[in-house]
Amino acid sequence: DADVTQTPRNRITKTGKRIMLECSQTKGHDRMYWYRQDPGLGLRLIYYSFDVKDINKGEISDGYSVSRQAQAKFSLSLESAIPNQTALYFCATSDLPGAGADTQYFGPGTRLTVL
Amino acid sequence: QKEVEQNSGPLSVPEGAIASLNCTYSDRGSQSFFWYRQYSGKSPELIMFIYSNGDKEDGRFTAQLNKASQYVSLLIRDSQPSDSATYLCAVLLSGSARQLTFGSGTQLTVLP
Repeated sequence: DADVTQTPRNRITKTGKRIMLECSQTKGHDRMYWYRQDPGLGLRLIYYSFDVKDINKGEISDGYSVSRQAQAKFSLSLESAIPNQTALYFCATSDLPGAGADTQYFGPGTRLTVL
Repeated sequence: QKEVEQNSGPLSVPEGAIASLNCTYSDRGSQSFFWYRQYSGKSPELIMFIYSNGDKEDGRFTAQLNKASQYVSLLIRDSQPSDSATYLCAVLLSGSARQLTFGSGTQLTVLP
């Protein structure tokens, strides 16, 4: 079984709809991240969480919110989706600081299209 | 200036050749550097990380770090068509609360 899973894998929705993307991990990592990827722009950090009670905004948090329901679960919500939120979304996890521990492990991604 | 810069490519090399991918970063205090490979439509997967100046080898891959010049590179020896992918450089910037900053990636094509 995959260590980091994301649901759904693909989603098409309409402008103004609320959307939730979910991420679960079995790696036992405390740290979780949400990124979006657009062609030519690389990965951009939306939100990150270092533990259940710690949530932080990333580079592009406007229009998004998150919930860390448990160590293993981190959800991303688009309260009112707009077309420029069409992108590939990745969840990632990492271990506590230490040699090699900043390595991030990615889920398979969710392709979101907002019409 | 972007914090982490890569040539977007595309970079094409013939099968069996050495592919050289470069990345520069702006923060002189950065300590940790990562190379990820991403196939089209797939998630990034770690190739290797490097912390110390010099070379680090893992199979056909060699990461090179030069902190004085603020660049990190990835060499792929004996390139194979299966190496065709986008390669992402990621840097743990100092004072970044341990967030990785990614470059926009270099697209590599290995021609059979």
